[in-house]
Amino acid sequence: SAVISQKPSRDICQRGTSLTIQCQVDSQVTMMFWYRQQPGQSLTLIATANQGSEATYESGFVIDKFPISRPNLTFSTLTVSNMSPEDSSIYLCSDQEGTGDYGYTFGSGTRLTVV
Amino acid sequence: QQQVKQSPQSLIVQKGGISIINCAYENTAFDYFPWYQQFPGKGPALLIAIRPDVSEKKEGRFTISFNKSAKQFSLHIMDSQPGDSATYFCAAKTGGTSYGKLTFGQGTILTVHP
Repeated sequence: SAVISQKPSRDICQRGTSLTIQCQVDSQVTMMFWYRQQPGQSLTLIATANQGSEATYESGFVIDKFPISRPNLTFSTLTVSNMSPEDSSIYLCSDQEGTGDYGYTFGSGTRLTVV
Repeated sequence: QQQVKQSPQSLIVQKGGISIINCAYENTAFDYFPWYQQFPGKGPALLIAIRPDVSEKKEGRFTISFNKSAKQFSLHIMDSQPGDSATYFCAAKTGGTSYGKLTFGQGTILTVHP
């Protein structure tokens, strides 16, 4: 399966600023996903990113707050914009390399604290 | 309709015991049910998955039991070990193993005491 490098692994940011999280996959993948996970909680899907098209956002998430780029088949970024303390969370990227049981791989996550 | 409900929220088991985690779903269009294991500071990793055409799947010490009529599925960890201590998530998806998004359960924190 693919390996995903996600960075930064953690950051502390001032409210009102923006943070861009990067995910690099070591092979070409069709779909990438961005999740938010509160510590000790489940994963909530923010958006699905396909190369060459606009990201598809889930209910409650908007592009102005969480712009996503997918410039090629191995890379994606998520920006958390105009941050508030409520944005403090773990953000994870995932890919789906293909169909089949072992198609999904996750990055190690970015732990974001907004002060 | 898209929810997957997972229980218990936390579970403590003695070494060598059986850990059982349950999930229930409402959306009958779900047709792929994976389980993920997550250690602190890491992303989830696939443990085992099942499709609704079988009632049970076993891989080593891990078994999924699936009850299509009840819309429930469960993970059994036999001979639980301290190294199994982690958070476990069930998930569900439509479209089988084709491209698409996963819907996750709430997670179960498993602690296995030596």
